[in-house]
Amino acid sequence: EAEVAQSPRYKITEKSQAVAFWCDPISGHATLYWYRQILGQGPELLVQFQDESVVDDSQLPKDRFSAERLKGVDSTLKIQPAELGDSAMYLCASSLARGKGTEAFFGQGTRLTVV
Amino acid sequence: AQSVTQPDIHITVSEGASLELRCNYSYGATPYLFWYVQSPGQGLQLLLKYFSGDTLVQGIKGFEAEFKRSQSSFNLRKPSVHWSDAAEYFCAVGATNNAGNMLTFGGGTRLMVKP
Repeated sequence: EAEVAQSPRYKITEKSQAVAFWCDPISGHATLYWYRQILGQGPELLVQFQDESVVDDSQLPKDRFSAERLKGVDSTLKIQPAELGDSAMYLCASSLARGKGTEAFFGQGTRLTVV
Repeated sequence: AQSVTQPDIHITVSEGASLELRCNYSYGATPYLFWYVQSPGQGLQLLLKYFSGDTLVQGIKGFEAEFKRSQSSFNLRKPSVHWSDAAEYFCAVGATNNAGNMLTFGGGTRLMVKP
């Protein structure tokens, strides 16, 4: 069964260091999302891509976060410098780009702990 | 802007008992509504979705949900809970663009099942 792959599963980093997460969506899915889930809360959308283009990044803290999807397939989310408040689960999801009716499939996430 | 409220943070039910998880949404147009389930440390799995048509939606694992426009609700139900249903449940509303659905999640309801 096709699935969204994310790595690493767990990451511990020190405050002020740089950290990066990788996501490989389901083959053929043009749309890719990054969500952040703080412990005890629901996920919040950070950025949405269609192919290699950013569709919405209004909730991405651009002073320290960046996201790219250079070839329109896999994607990287970077944080530099990391802060204690960035500790969270980072979830990647993908879907077919069909507008309404499209289901997003989620990866298992990367659990980030900033110390 | 859209929002989702899940009034119950925790719910405990006995195995075999019926279940209803509440979800209220705020959205300016016809909503696209979803229920996802998340096991500890894992990503999200779609249980069911509503886009249009029949307001009673059937999903996987024996779950169903009913869309009630007059109450702005999309409550999730299951007639008989199994111990394996213990997890966190998230209701979400989708804002649709040409690239897919940007999901706004509620805060989640943690379900515990007593033997």
